[in-house]
Amino acid sequence: SQKIEQNSEALNIQEGKTATLTCNYTNYSPAYLQWYRQDPGRGPVFLLLIRENEKEKRKERLKVTFDTTLKQSLLHITASQPADSATYLCASNSGYALNFGKGTSLLVTP
Amino acid sequence: NAGVMQNPRHLVRRRGQEARLRCSPMKGHSHVYWYRQLPEEGLKFMVYLQKENIIDESGMPKERFSAEFPKEGPSILRIQQVVRGDSAAYFCASSQDSANTEAFFGQGTRLTVV
Repeated sequence: SQKIEQNSEALNIQEGKTATLTCNYTNYSPAYLQWYRQDPGRGPVFLLLIRENEKEKRKERLKVTFDTTLKQSLLHITASQPADSATYLCASNSGYALNFGKGTSLLVTP
Repeated sequence: NAGVMQNPRHLVRRRGQEARLRCSPMKGHSHVYWYRQLPEEGLKFMVYLQKENIIDESGMPKERFSAEFPKEGPSILRIQQVVRGDSAAYFCASSQDSANTEAFFGQGTRLTVV
């Protein structure tokens, strides 16, 4: 079955730098991948969806890529701010639902 | 336009009691999903419902757990005879179209079994 893997180690970066978060999938290429942001004690909030045939998608300071050769999606957050500190979840389609990774914690320090 | 509303936000139950978790989807959404999140674990799919129908319950334990989405009123996730291992955050999500489009999540219900 499809497994979504995200780096379990927290990512610490300095304000203003670009944060890059990685999402790998293990088996077949999913039709799409979604990225969500989750703050402590809150529900996930949708960020971006990228389809298998799209190489890149942008939204404000966010850029998501989808590389079917590497079986990987990257989420780039440019000009990062302390307010970007959160856990970022990657999910693939799986039947009727979403198959989530465990998420990567991002900490942006001033 | 109110988002997905879940209540209660926190629920404490003693072992053996019943837990009822409620979810009102976003206005206009007829697709509801329940997920469970354990500490240090990812969100795990439990069940997908449309109005009055369970479409996919493959992620839900066969015993003690049930879900419904009646024609009127919120979706209910029911856990009978709770055990300590049921302690988790339960999230509801809704979407406008069929599965696998942008999902809107509620703030979750944190169930603690003592």
